[in-house]
Amino acid sequence: SQTIHQWPATLVQPVGSPLSLECTVEGTSNPNLYWYRQAAGRGLQLLFYSVGIGQISSEVPQNLSASRPQDRQFILSSKKLLLSDSGFYLCASGQGNTHNEQFFGPGTRLTVL
Amino acid sequence: GNSVTQMEGPVTLSEEAFLTINCTYTATGYPSLFWYVQYPGEGLQLLLKATKADDKGSNKGFEATYRKETTSFHLEKGSVQVSDSAVYFCALTLYNQGGKLIFGQGTELSVKP
Repeated sequence: SQTIHQWPATLVQPVGSPLSLECTVEGTSNPNLYWYRQAAGRGLQLLFYSVGIGQISSEVPQNLSASRPQDRQFILSSKKLLLSDSGFYLCASGQGNTHNEQFFGPGTRLTVL
Repeated sequence: GNSVTQMEGPVTLSEEAFLTINCTYTATGYPSLFWYVQYPGEGLQLLLKATKADDKGSNKGFEATYRKETTSFHLEKGSVQVSDSAVYFCALTLYNQGGKLIFGQGTELSVKP
């Protein structure tokens, strides 16, 4: 089965600072990769997904960007963080098939002060 | 649009009580349906799934049946344990949408001894 690694596990950043969250995947090849955000008291919202290297789709307009420099690496970035960027960020991997499950990483808790 | 609605939490039960968490969906076409569970401080993991009408997903004593006529996928367990305390997410995927998950807002379950 797949293993999803995310780091850092927690992060406290000031408003206006840059952000880089990394996700790597083991145990599969050519996965679809996803970034979700879970804001406090709310469900999960899909931010970005990628079907291959360099291919990124954005689901919601926002202050963040994503990149996929390698098949099993997915990076979430921001040039200047906002307070509203605080939340729990989850990376997931799947085969893009409707019926198949997604495998989630342990998440990164981001607090912007 | 496509969406998932779950009963609001938190839900607090005593050990060995019966659990129902309601989930209804709105979707174009015929979605696949999932329940994911998030234990404290962890990422999400798949609990069970159903890919067509009348399918029953089951795992760890939990069950959910895909009801097309009522557009529902309610989660049930006959006797909950303290270790079942977690947040439960109902979700769907749609055909030819890259496996993207649409989540409900999550229901927090707390089981007391």
